[in-house]
This record gives sequence, structure tokens and C-alpha cells, in this order.
Amino acid sequence: EPEVTQTPSHQVTQMGQEVILRCVPISNHLYFYWYRQILGQKVEFLVSFYNNEISEKSEIFDDQFSVERPDGSNFTLKIRSTKLEDSAMYFCASRWYSYDEKLFFGSGTQLSVL
Amino acid sequence: QQQVKQSPQSLIVQKGGISIINCAYENTAFDYFPWYQQFPGKGPALLIAIRPDVSEKKEGRFTISFNKSAKQFSLHIMDSQPGDSATYFCAASTLQGAQKLVFGQGTRLTINP
Repeated sequence: EPEVTQTPSHQVTQMGQEVILRCVPISNHLYFYWYRQILGQKVEFLVSFYNNEISEKSEIFDDQFSVERPDGSNFTLKIRSTKLEDSAMYFCASRWYSYDEKLFFGSGTQLSVL
Repeated sequence: QQQVKQSPQSLIVQKGGISIINCAYENTAFDYFPWYQQFPGKGPALLIAIRPDVSEKKEGRFTISFNKSAKQFSLHIMDSQPGDSATYFCAASTLQGAQKLVFGQGTRLTINP
């Protein structure tokens, strides 16, 4: 079965540093998402991306966050100046077309901000 | 109004028993209700989903029951197995627009052999 691939699986960074989390969505998918899960809490929506632009973002997704699809295969989440509270598991997800319900998640990147 | 409330937080069931997890939602615009299964170190994986035009959907040992008037839905796992031990999340979304999922808090299910 096709997979959403995320790298790295773990990332440790110092507060104030920039991090880029990388994702390779399933190849024919058109809609891309980032979610995050703080330890022991529920999964939260961050942002959705379609046709090279953000289609919706949550209150969490402030000016410190940005997303990009730099080429035909990668989808990245950048945090410009990390805070302690950014420590979480970040999941990339993708789906095929507009009314396709099935959302595929990657295995996540565990971000630890020290 | 966007919340999805899930209970219980944790559940222990004997092998062969029935596991039941409940969720309630507030936003009547939601029209898609999936359940996700998550194993440690992995991302959520879609288990089963339902739309509000039916009251029940069954796939193998997994059944979703949906009560539109009460704004509640539940997951039933029949003949629970140790391999079912995982965290289960209910979620809800609209099928219009970005289709962002609103997740419940999760239920850690343990099946004792």
C-alpha cells in the first residue's frame, strides 16, 4: 500500500532555531495537510494545502509557521523560531481528490525543542 | 462548537470481549465521521468511517453506530484481540472545503489475553 513518508523521524533543536520537517505525500494525491499531537493529547489540525496555496489554517498556524511544496514530490513545514511549546509529534497527511474522504497519515516527526 | 468529545480515556477488555468507545459532536455541519487506530510510534490509520445518512456500518469485527439526533457515534470492536491494543481516535469533518478533521481526545485500549 502506498505510504506518506516523513523525515526525520526525530528532530531535536534549540529554542529559537529554525526547523524544516519534510514529507513525501502519496504520488497522485492533491491535498496535503499537517497535523500535530502534543504528548498525551489529541491530534490537532494545523494547515491544509491545495494547488500550491494554503486552503485553511488553524489558530496554531501563526506567522512562525510556513508550508511549501518546493517540487512535485515534497511538502515541507517550516517553523522559523521554535518555542518550547512547539515540541510535539508532527504528522503529514494527504488525500487524492476533493471528495475522497480517505486521509493517509505519515508516521510523524517527533520534534523536541530544548 | 468544533469539539468532538470522546470517552473513555482508557479501556481494558478481556480477549474475546466487546470494546465500545463513544464520541459526541456539536457541529451539525459535520458529515463525515471516521475512526482512526494508532499504534505507538506510528501515525493514525483509518479504520472505518460513516456518513450521517446511515445509522450503522460494519467492516469485519468493527462497527460504527451513529445517532444523528443525539449527535453521537460509537465504535464497537467485537471479539477483541490483543492485536487490537492501540489508541483509537474518533474524528469529524465536513466533506466540503479543506475537510480538516477534528479529533477526539483518544482512547487507549488494552486487550488482556
